[in-house]
Amino acid sequence: GDSVTQMEGPVTLSEEAFLTINCTYTATGYPSLFWYVQYPGEGLQLLLKATKADDKGSNKGFEATYRKETTSFHLEKGSVQVSDSAVYFCALSGPGKSGGSYIPTFGRGTSLIVHP
Amino acid sequence: EAQVTQNPRYLITVTGKKLTVTCSQNMNHEYMSWYRQDPGLGLRQIYYSMNVEVTDKGDVPEGYKVSRKEKRNFPLILESPSPNQTSLYFCASSLSGEGATYGYTFGSGTRLTVV
Repeated sequence: GDSVTQMEGPVTLSEEAFLTINCTYTATGYPSLFWYVQYPGEGLQLLLKATKADDKGSNKGFEATYRKETTSFHLEKGSVQVSDSAVYFCALSGPGKSGGSYIPTFGRGTSLIVHP
Repeated sequence: EAQVTQNPRYLITVTGKKLTVTCSQNMNHEYMSWYRQDPGLGLRQIYYSMNVEVTDKGDVPEGYKVSRKEKRNFPLILESPSPNQTSLYFCASSLSGEGATYGYTFGSGTRLTVV
């Protein structure tokens, strides 16, 4: 079945450092890929998405490129801020098990801690 | 404001006492889903609904029920809660069952403790 693997956290960085959170996936067909962010005490929010190979999703300084050849969707940001401290989830949504629904699959999440 | 509203935010209950967690969305979304989030296990889908009167099991449906009588509401029912259902619950919705290109809108969560 479909699966998403994220690097284990926590990832601890100093403010203004470069961020990479790795995400690889296994899926049948051609899924869409997403990054969600969960701030403390809140629900998940869609951060960015890419719907086909070589698409780049971007938002709030974060970027991720859909790499079909390496089945990856790594999240990057050039200069992190303390306010970026949160848990980040990689997800895919593609043809479902029954072929008729698009059941999303989430990674386990990666905690990011940014120090001043 | 477009949103998914869950209630209550926090709930402490006793084993066996039936409870309902409500979920409502104001975006006319067809697809709605319930997840539970547990440390080390990430998000696991409990039930989902492709549209009114259409529901199906997710990965961990045991001990839960849902209904979708109206498009905007998707309550989660625990008929006889047990301590292993202590968790953080999220409701989510998407424009359609083919949520591939839309992504999901999540509620703020319900932290349930069963003692």
